[in-house]
Amino acid sequence: AQKITQTQPGMFVQEKEAVTLDCTYDTSDQSYGLFWYKQPSSGEMIFLIYQGSYDEQNATEGRYSLNFQKARKSANLVISASQLGDSAMYFCAMREVYNFNKFYFGSGTKLNVKP
Amino acid sequence: ETGVTQTPRHLVMGMTNKKSLKCEQHLGHNAMYWYKQSAKKPLELMFVYNFKEQTENNSVPSRFSPECPNSSHLFLHLHTLQPEDSALYLCASSQDRRQTGNTGELFFGEGSRLTVL
Repeated sequence: AQKITQTQPGMFVQEKEAVTLDCTYDTSDQSYGLFWYKQPSSGEMIFLIYQGSYDEQNATEGRYSLNFQKARKSANLVISASQLGDSAMYFCAMREVYNFNKFYFGSGTKLNVKP
Repeated sequence: ETGVTQTPRHLVMGMTNKKSLKCEQHLGHNAMYWYKQSAKKPLELMFVYNFKEQTENNSVPSRFSPECPNSSHLFLHLHTLQPEDSALYLCASSQDRRQTGNTGELFFGEGSRLTVL
C-alpha cells in the first residue's frame, strides 16, 4: 500500500485566493512526522512546513498552514493569498519514528497560479 | 553559499561512459541521501549515509555506486547506464538527532539532470 497519497495531479488557483492541496498517509506508527516540500521548475526541493504526530495544534509558517486530521490520516497543505511564485510542484512526505532517515514521498501536485 | 550543492547540473552520457555526480553540504549535517526523480513517479530513495556509513540501499542496480568520504561529501558514480536511468538525481542532507525541536527535515540540492543516450 502507498504510504503517501496525493490525489490531485494538477490544480489551478486564482492569484490572491487560498488553495488546499490534499495529502493522506498510511502508517501504523503512533509517532511520525509529516512534511511538505515545494519544487519549482529549477528542480530544488524546498522545505515548507512540518507537523509532528503528537503536535496538538496545526503547524503554520507564514502563508502556509497544515490542516492535520489525525483520525482521518490527512495532512492537507493550505496556501493563503496565492502568489504567482507559488506555481510549482508540491510534495507531501512522511517519516516514521523507527527509521529516521526514511522519507516516503507522494507523487506530487502541480499547482498553477493564474493572474 | 547554498546549503547543498550539486555538480554537474546537467550531464549527458552514453551507455558506455563512466561519470560521477558530486554533492556537498555546508550545513553540518550527518546524514546524506541520493534520490532519483523520474517523470510522473514519486521520488525514489536510492542511498542513505549516516556518519559516513551506508544505512540504506534501496535495491539500486550496481551500475550506480555511491561514495561518502566524509559527512560533507557524497558522490554517485555512474557506469554502463541505461536510457531508463535518465532522470533528475537529487542529493539531500539532514541532521539525524532525535531531539526536541529538531524536525530533521531534508535539505535538497538543485539536482543533476542526467540524460543517457
